Amino acid sequence: GAVVSQHPSWVICKSGTSVKIECRSLDFQATTMFWYRQFPKQSLMLMATSNEGSKATYEQGVEKDKFLINHASLTLSTLTVTSAHPEDSSFYICSARDRRRTDTQYFGPGTRLTVL
Amino acid sequence: QKEVEQNSGPLSVPEGAIASLNCTYSDRGSQSFFWYRQYSGKSPELIMSIYSNGDKEDGRFTAQLNKASQYVSLLIRDSQPSDSATYLCATGEGSYIPTFGRGTSLIVHP
Repeated sequence: GAVVSQHPSWVICKSGTSVKIECRSLDFQATTMFWYRQFPKQSLMLMATSNEGSKATYEQGVEKDKFLINHASLTLSTLTVTSAHPEDSSFYICSARDRRRTDTQYFGPGTRLTVL
Repeated sequence: QKEVEQNSGPLSVPEGAIASLNCTYSDRGSQSFFWYRQYSGKSPELIMSIYSNGDKEDGRFTAQLNKASQYVSLLIRDSQPSDSATYLCATGEGSYIPTFGRGTSLIVHP
């Protein structure tokens, strides 16, 4: 099956710093990538939809200036959490749609962010 | 707004039994349906996709789709403790943003 990687798998940072998370589709080109966050024992929450070469579309309530998304190529999207605060601590998961199979979404392994 | 509904559970079944997970969706125009498994602390993993009415089998897993009733189910035969996880139902195709259910927690006890 299609493989999506995320880096880093976990990160601990100080409050006020910025953290960049990379999401790569390793063996396919992704027309669209999605960014989710998930708090413990809660469901996935879609943050934004990212299409290659265009601006990301953010879900209601998600601050686009705080969560910067760049989708520079068909295999790479990045999420930067700017000026992170403890309440940003969460499990961030990206997913990618295979260009050849536009319906199927494959998830990366996730990044656990802890802000001290 | 598209909605996908799942019973949050937990659904508890004994080892070796059949686990039946159900999902309903609101958009009659939906064409593509997916089941994901998510272990605690991990990201979702695709198990099955189904596009046509009827059954689709893959190993111990069978997905069932009934578009007239807007109903999707996942059957897990010979359930194992390692199947204990949250199962997410999703729909979405083309340019549409995928819609996920909140997931059903499955517990398979020895």
